[in-house]
Amino acid sequence: QVLLVESGGGVVQPGRSLRLSCVASGFTFSHYAMHWVRQAPGKGLEWMAVISYDGSKKYYADSVKGRFTISRDNSENTLYLQMDSLRTEDTAVYYCAREYYGREYFDYWGQGSLVTVSS
Amino acid sequence: QSALTQPASVSGSPGQSITISCTGTSSDVGGYDYVSWYQQHPGKAPKLLIYDVSNRPSGLSDRFSGSKSGNTASLTISGLQAEDEADYYCSSYTSTSTRVFGTGTKVTVL
Repeated sequence: QVLLVESGGGVVQPGRSLRLSCVASGFTFSHYAMHWVRQAPGKGLEWMAVISYDGSKKYYADSVKGRFTISRDNSENTLYLQMDSLRTEDTAVYYCAREYYGREYFDYWGQGSLVTVSS
Repeated sequence: QSALTQPASVSGSPGQSITISCTGTSSDVGGYDYVSWYQQHPGKAPKLLIYDVSNRPSGLSDRFSGSKSGNTASLTISGLQAEDEADYYCSSYTSTSTRVFGTGTKVTVL
């Protein structure tokens, strides 16, 4: 079955960096675009970034452009989110999600990884 | 990249039908038939309910239906059940190849 498992979350000070990972299994990872979506405590979903199936195209939300970098390693079935210059407002649960064959919707989601930015 | 606008809350009695609206612009909801809807229970990951405006994933109850008119998409839940109490989010593809979510709607079953 399709499984997405995020890791790498934790507590980090403002201005520092953190890298999230999302390990995929149960499907051919290299065939699918992948996304990161976050949810601040008690708030709604916020789309963060997308990477194409081969890593050649990447798009970001304005709120993280220039600070966050999405990448993937298809040989390791792993999606990454490098988060630099973290701010307190980046505190959230971060989900990775699979996009179904370029159809612009998220058919599978991970369980989420909590990132807390605090001094 | 402003969030799509949804009502903060909608409520209904068991068996009733409710509709949640999702208003965007011609650069997102109105410009593409790439609107999807997600249900999220507390502490859980979102779950896909509707894709491409009105299509349901295989196995999903036909009590959930979607539609779109102009810049506004809608999700209707018919025969409301206690288990439908959750948060609901719309999402759309945008003209800049990004995605955007709605502000979210809390559904309460009275």
